[in-house]
Amino acid sequence: AQTVTQSQPEMSVQEAETVTLSCTYDTSENNYYLFWYKQPPSRQMILVIRQEAYKQQNATENRFSVNFQKAAKSFSLKISDSQLGDTAMYFCAFMKGTNAGKSTFGDGTTLTVKP
Amino acid sequence: GAVVSQHPSRVICKSGTSVKIECRSLDFQATTMFWYRQFPKKSLMLMATSNEGSKATYEQGVEKDKFLINHASLTLSTLTVTSAHPEDSSFYICSARKWGQGNDGYTFGSGTRLTVV
Repeated sequence: AQTVTQSQPEMSVQEAETVTLSCTYDTSENNYYLFWYKQPPSRQMILVIRQEAYKQQNATENRFSVNFQKAAKSFSLKISDSQLGDTAMYFCAFMKGTNAGKSTFGDGTTLTVKP
Repeated sequence: GAVVSQHPSRVICKSGTSVKIECRSLDFQATTMFWYRQFPKKSLMLMATSNEGSKATYEQGVEKDKFLINHASLTLSTLTVTSAHPEDSSFYICSARKWGQGNDGYTFGSGTRLTVV
């Protein structure tokens, strides 16, 4: 079974600064995908960024980027130029490549962006 | 885009009654949908995988007879909480994948807050 660990229950950052959210996972699979989802107070889950395990290049999506360290089973999310709208709960998720969508989620990190 | 609509957004019911939650893929067909349960400020727990035209696959510890799932069409899956009890109060979320979308993430419904009184 896969496990996903987010060791930071809560974090805060000043507007315009950079923050990094950590995520580690445990799996014996070689083919898998990793995701970061954002859940704002509205509770709508929104995909932030995804990473295929077979790709060495770290995924980037505008102000969001990841540091994917496959050997260390680490998948951190960096948010640059933080904005007030980034305030949300962030979930790291793991999905096997052949599992058609069955995902395992971490416990989440609540991020507060302060003005 | 890929939009998933979930209804109702909030529901309050009495103990012992049943509640049905709908999950619709609005602009795509979804052979597979997923139902999650989320407690306040907690993670999402997968309850079951809903398969169009066949029986749902339940996760260990989830009561099949209590959480009935029906996926009768390629755009609709329903979760019925039968004989609801206060401990069933929770936030329920569905998700679906657009065919051809690959593994680039799943679209989630906006969730249903169930309160059993």
